[in-house]
Amino acid sequence: AQKVTQAQTEISVVEKEDVTLDCVYETRDTTYYLFWYKQPPSGELVFLIRRNSFDEQNEISGRYSWNFQKSTSSFNFTITASQVVDSAVYFCALSEARTGNQFYFGTGTSLTVIP
Amino acid sequence: DVKVTQSSRYLVKRTGEKVFLECVQDMDHENMFWYRQDPGLGLRLIYFSYDVKMKEKGDIPEGYSVSREKKERFSLILESASTNQTSMYLCASSLWAAPGGYTIYFGEGSWLTVV
Repeated sequence: AQKVTQAQTEISVVEKEDVTLDCVYETRDTTYYLFWYKQPPSGELVFLIRRNSFDEQNEISGRYSWNFQKSTSSFNFTITASQVVDSAVYFCALSEARTGNQFYFGTGTSLTVIP
Repeated sequence: DVKVTQSSRYLVKRTGEKVFLECVQDMDHENMFWYRQDPGLGLRLIYFSYDVKMKEKGDIPEGYSVSREKKERFSLILESASTNQTSMYLCASSLWAAPGGYTIYFGEGSWLTVV
């Protein structure tokens, strides 16, 4: 079973629109960690954020915000006022305290921001 | 900043050739990984290493081997390259971060084409 599901394969938005990327995870651990990574066309996966399961506080960083909801096992990522430079593939990932160094990645959401 | 460097960004090799993909990290991380990324399949773990000379198979180790002689360097070896190994290869290393759990950081990726 897929531990991390990113149901949106591709999304296109017009510049300055807001866009939300969905991530649903599955785990039986009470302690776990959630991540988002950005992969621009150059290929490198860039770390964006890490969230611990015991910290449900939402986070905002500039135009980026993350909504962590344990009740729905979701960790969604919103880009406000999107820009062309936001065009990339975004990956959500999970690791569990029990397995430590094992990471489960979603299949990614390809975001295209149209100028 | 964490730096994971992959020696080759683009390679073209012939079927049957032995291929070495090199990866170096400069943050004294104990854990290093090799992933393969293919369209529609996301990231798949080939091998990881939790210490010098230690290695563990990931999800798709067949056709690959690894070497970790020094802490900072983790090499992926294709003993006899085949066309179905044409892919993007990502090296990563992970760091334990307070208050708990690991965070994984990636290199720029190596695009391998086997002809």
